[in-house]
Amino acid sequence: QLQLQESGSGLVKPSQTLSLTCAVSGGSISSGGYSWSWIRQPPGKGLEWIGYIYHSGSTYYNPSLKSRVTISVDRSKNQFSLKLSSVTAADTAVYYCARVSGLTVTFDYWGQGTLVTVSS
Amino acid sequence: DIQMTQSPSSLSASVGDRVTITCRASQSISRYLNWYQQKVGKAPKLLIYAASSLDTGVPSRFSGSGSGTDFTLTIISLQPEDFATYYCQQGYSTPLTFGGGTKVEIK
Repeated sequence: QLQLQESGSGLVKPSQTLSLTCAVSGGSISSGGYSWSWIRQPPGKGLEWIGYIYHSGSTYYNPSLKSRVTISVDRSKNQFSLKLSSVTAADTAVYYCARVSGLTVTFDYWGQGTLVTVSS
Repeated sequence: DIQMTQSPSSLSASVGDRVTITCRASQSISRYLNWYQQKVGKAPKLLIYAASSLDTGVPSRFSGSGSGTDFTLTIISLQPEDFATYYCQQGYSTPLTFGGGTKVEIK
């Protein structure tokens, strides 16, 4: 059974960079046909797609965040990462990592989520 | 960007009721429409993909229909464990977008 687990700092100061990692177990991050994504959810609000990275390393970002986002993959550790720069309070959210099924563009496996708070 | 509009934003229903949630896309998305269930404090869970295909292990009381711009999630005979928030998501084009959610509450 595929499992995803987010980790990283839960508190980030304004203007700094948020960094999270998603460890994948029970399957290879290099499997063809899938991409690996980050999604966030501000407290009490809906879901926002941040971006994804294909097994090939190609990335696609939400234009609303593109100038501040970097998603990368470390195949040796079977994990992928998110960096979001110049954060503000508006970036406070639960951040989820998820696998994206290529054919139907479906988020079929999710991590449990990690709350990141932006505050001085 | 493709806007996804869900209605209603919330509803109250009783155990055993039939519940219908709609999702409308701002342009045609063929059948690239997925539905998720989210319980409080938990990650979303995939229910239906490609508009009408039930994910593995999802009870058959859940069903999805639609294509183009209009889609429906139906729960026949609502069960206590179905009280949650439901989201639609389009996979037709990036940026991938979600509906605003429908909260199903106990009447």
